Amino acid sequence: SQQGEEDPQALSIQEGENATMNCSYKTSINNLQWYRQNSGRGLVHLILIRSNEREKHSGRLRVTLDTSKKSSSLLITASRAADTASYFCATAYSGAGSYQLTFGKGTKLSVIP
Amino acid sequence: NAGVMQNPRHLVRRRGQEARLRCSPMKGHSHVYWYRQLPEEGLKFMVYLQKENIIDESGMPKERFSAEFPKEGPSILRIQQVVRGDSAAYFCASSNRTGSSSYEQYFGPGTRLTVT
Repeated sequence: SQQGEEDPQALSIQEGENATMNCSYKTSINNLQWYRQNSGRGLVHLILIRSNEREKHSGRLRVTLDTSKKSSSLLITASRAADTASYFCATAYSGAGSYQLTFGKGTKLSVIP
Repeated sequence: NAGVMQNPRHLVRRRGQEARLRCSPMKGHSHVYWYRQLPEEGLKFMVYLQKENIIDESGMPKERFSAEFPKEGPSILRIQQVVRGDSAAYFCASSNRTGSSSYEQYFGPGTRLTVT
């Protein structure tokens, strides 16, 4: 079954506002990662948070992880039109020795200038 | 340091033909992953390879799909006798699996396969 599920599926905000996206997952993880994908392009790695971490910052990005609730959130502050993209969370678990990433369906963010 | 390279970027095949997708990992990376993305969907894991070994192919369809990562040269994802349902974007990712960044995967730009 799908591991990561992002919420909302689509989000439209004005430039300068903050955008919050949520991700829930079902099983144990080693880490959770957030990626951005511009339309028709490849994935850009944004941030990785390990299972023993609760919060991480990178520039205008803030990620939280709550392993008791099996959920994570990505906050983009002071959004820009260039932030318009799809955002995916992906969980990694090494239990099977594979280290594969399991992706959600993504949140499509539109930032209106 | 060049990133993950994939070619071709776009591939059009008629039903029944073979598709070969190539992936060159980042320099120093010896672990390659293949993912498939259908329109409006997230990426789905297909296969994980190290040099000359398939480690996990649990996401690969049972028929027509195969992957290799030879000692020399790029990793190849091969789809035989393609069908319309194979139309998707295929992404390759690589990692070095050492130290604190062991789970960070770096993605290539993808190959968009269209089956007509």
